[in-house]
Amino acid sequence: AQTVTQSQPEMSVQEAETVTLSCTYDTSESDYYLFWYKQPPSRQMILVIRQEAYKQQNATENRFSVNFQKAAKSFSLKISDSQLGDAAMYFCAYRSEETSGSRLTFGEGTQLTVNP
Amino acid sequence: DTEVTQTPKHLVMGMTNKKSLKCEQHMGHRAMYWYKQKAKKPPELMFVYSYEKLSINESVPSRFSPECPNSSLLNLHLHALQPEDSALYLCASSQRPGTSGGAPYEQYFGPGTRLTVT
Repeated sequence: AQTVTQSQPEMSVQEAETVTLSCTYDTSESDYYLFWYKQPPSRQMILVIRQEAYKQQNATENRFSVNFQKAAKSFSLKISDSQLGDAAMYFCAYRSEETSGSRLTFGEGTQLTVNP
Repeated sequence: DTEVTQTPKHLVMGMTNKKSLKCEQHMGHRAMYWYKQKAKKPPELMFVYSYEKLSINESVPSRFSPECPNSSLLNLHLHALQPEDSALYLCASSQRPGTSGGAPYEQYFGPGTRLTVT
């Protein structure tokens, strides 16, 4: 079974600075996808960024980028120029197309605080 | 419109009550999901409906009964719940199950129903 580990239960960053959230995963599969989801205090979960395992190029979405290290099974999220609205719980998630269909396996989450 | 709506926002029920949670989307999505989320924890998948048919049941107790009356609507019927079932129940939908062109269909989440069982 696949597992996703987020080793930082809480992180904080000053507004306008950069922060990196860590995620590692364990799988024996070669065809999978990785995601970062954001869940603000209002509760609605939204997709921040996704990475296809077969793509070597790291995904970027505006101020959000990932560092995908397939051999190391690492998938960290970098938030640049942090804003107050970035404060949320961030979940790393894994999805396999080989065995688990549409299932998302989530990490335990990292609570990000942005200080003004 | 990328909105998934859920009603009610909050629900308090006794252990002998019967209640239902409702989820609706008008994006033409053909896959819908129920998740359970405890405070400060990740969502846990409960059920997946694909083209209005139940495709995944993650060994959920029978006191939770899902129903997909049509492609836009997903219900979760609750009966004889336990206090430990208190949680945030999230609904999600995606255009299709699986992938297309090498990319997975994105899951769009609703705001959830906060359930308290007394």
